Amino acid sequence: QSVLTQPPSVSAAPGQKVTISCSGSSSNIGNNYVSWYQQLPGTAPKLLIYDNNKRPSGIPDRFSGSKSGTSATLGITGLQTGDEADYYCGTWDSSLSAGGVFGTGTKVTVL
Amino acid sequence: QVQLQESGPGLVKPSQTLSLTCTVSGGSISSGSYYWSWIRQPAGKGLEWIGRIYTSGSTNYNPSLKSRVTISVDTSKNQFSLKLSSVTAADTAVYYCARDLLGSHDYWGQGTLVTVSS
Repeated sequence: QSVLTQPPSVSAAPGQKVTISCSGSSSNIGNNYVSWYQQLPGTAPKLLIYDNNKRPSGIPDRFSGSKSGTSATLGITGLQTGDEADYYCGTWDSSLSAGGVFGTGTKVTVL
Repeated sequence: QVQLQESGPGLVKPSQTLSLTCTVSGGSISSGSYYWSWIRQPAGKGLEWIGRIYTSGSTNYNPSLKSRVTISVDTSKNQFSLKLSSVTAADTAVYYCARDLLGSHDYWGQGTLVTVSS
């Protein structure tokens, strides 16, 4: 059972912008870096954002990340059909039950 | 370019032990400040972190699986492994290995489907 909550789905037309929220607590998002992953159908997840807002080499600047308090947000601008995928946030939980945690996942649909 | 590849049986009987190995290529498993993780995903569901190991042998496990999980590393073979005991149908999933740098998983294997069934 995930401790990070994401909306099940978001959608927008090509060229538009979507944002995906990731809600946690002080033991995870509030005190640790957040990562974001894109999972295209039938493939392994791919790192999009690390350390809250940094992009690995090769990730376009259409993807952005931010964090405020115990929540994080992924933004995708200039939406493309190839962006249709599942997106997950992830971080470390520093509670007594310490370990990695992922969000519930959000399906992005390009209308 | 670092690459990871999972290997192991695709079918495991209930109550038995699931064993998977992740082979790392394109770099030494001992270099850098990396942890090496196992993550799984049941069909149609989200990602679940199983645990991770540092090359020193230090481990962290998901509390919900801790009693059944063992992760080990063989630096001479550039591999790390997962053992999950007393499996049930609920353990059926695609299992991924990944490199973990300060909580971010930057390189992933392609994943391997493990089905628990008699």
